[in-house]
Amino acid sequence: EADIYQTPRYLVIGTGKKITLECSQTMGHDKMYWYQQDPGMELHLIHYSYGVNSTEKGDLSSESTVSRIRTEHFPLTLESARPSHTSQYLCASSEERGTGLYEQYFGPGTRLTVT
Amino acid sequence: AQSVAQPEDQVNVAEGNPLTVKCTYSVSGNPYLFWYVQYPNRGLQFLLKYITGDNLVKGSYGFEAEFNKSQTSFHLKKPSALVSDSALYFCAGLDSNYQLIWGAGTKLIIKP
Repeated sequence: EADIYQTPRYLVIGTGKKITLECSQTMGHDKMYWYQQDPGMELHLIHYSYGVNSTEKGDLSSESTVSRIRTEHFPLTLESARPSHTSQYLCASSEERGTGLYEQYFGPGTRLTVT
Repeated sequence: AQSVAQPEDQVNVAEGNPLTVKCTYSVSGNPYLFWYVQYPNRGLQFLLKYITGDNLVKGSYGFEAEFNKSQTSFHLKKPSALVSDSALYFCAGLDSNYQLIWGAGTKLIIKP
């Protein structure tokens, strides 16, 4: 198991609430990612980061925002949750490309339900 | 456009039989290819990767994958399936920006 953690694992919240999904890794990886995945479906990259103070939007448009103040921490925030945000959110990290090790390591995911 | 395709939404195999989960790719340059497995309510686990070298790559849990450059394929295989292998399997490839391109996933069902 990789050393990447996500909290909470499950969250049920009402429409309009602000939420932050936490992701931390202890592997010292430079690159981190957030994916959105509906159950049993494909992954959609919503945000990624090359390192501290770096954030980029992914392929799937998302109303969420991310920050990367510390190498090990990559939280995702929804300012105003909506039912359309109901999904599973997966955090991942990988080595800097110079190492030649490109595989991503995933956290257990946060299953979000917005009522 | 660079892409990774998994042509089967679902694969059904009897326990003890060999299994194959298919993946084809279209990426620029030398292909870097990966297989991941996802068990219910879990994140993805890395199984194996092809970077260079032998076309047959061995990975975790007895899985292996065969890289075929002429057919642009990277099929996942296991000689004898277990019920516990039932899961969702994702193929991925590295694009020219060193980002992973993901296949849509294949649900593998192993029946006792």
